[in-house]
Amino acid sequence: EADIYQTPRYLVIGTGKKITLECSQTMGHDKMYWYQQDPGMELHLIHYSYGVNSTEKGDLSSESTVSRIRTEHFPLTLESARPSHTSQYLCASRGTGNNQPQHFGDGTRLSIL
Amino acid sequence: DQQVKQNSPSLSVQEGRISILNCDYTNSMFDYFLWYKKYPAEGPTFLISISSIKDKNEDGRFTVFLNKSAKHLSLHIVPSQPGDSAVYFCAALSSGTGKLIFGQGTTLQVKP
Repeated sequence: EADIYQTPRYLVIGTGKKITLECSQTMGHDKMYWYQQDPGMELHLIHYSYGVNSTEKGDLSSESTVSRIRTEHFPLTLESARPSHTSQYLCASRGTGNNQPQHFGDGTRLSIL
Repeated sequence: DQQVKQNSPSLSVQEGRISILNCDYTNSMFDYFLWYKKYPAEGPTFLISISSIKDKNEDGRFTVFLNKSAKHLSLHIVPSQPGDSAVYFCAALSSGTGKLIFGQGTTLQVKP
């Protein structure tokens, strides 16, 4: 079982604020991912990283940015939150080797007023 | 264009009976398939997976079947238990891209 932690679990905040969603894992995984999910919909990949100082945009366009300065830490930032950013954000990590599953944190449910 | 589809948004099953969740995919480059289970307010939990070189993988009450020619996989849960009630996501991985593509999920309700 991978140990991956996301904070905060829930966030309700006003438009225009800068937000950072935290994600940390203690498994030493090189690969980390951010997904966005709306109710009843599939998970969409918005960012991923294959190691320190490596970040890539995912399949779904997002106004958020990420950084990977340390292996265990992969924060996601929204510079100016808008109501359209309201969603659930899920962080995952994966070990090296073929056919390794991604392990998810419990997510941050973000509501922008 | 959705590459992984779960066409049944919901499924209701009696406790003790079999639950069958289905998933279809379109990309023949997918070579690894996974099922995740998700409770409300929690992240998805990995359940079971199957490589494209196999057609069946079993783990306790959970069995995943893969039909490559039909580009179809299914998850069987037997016997179903009320604690199995959750949203189940099918996901597919292309080793070339290393990205997971998810279906929309199927909500399973197991009635006591």
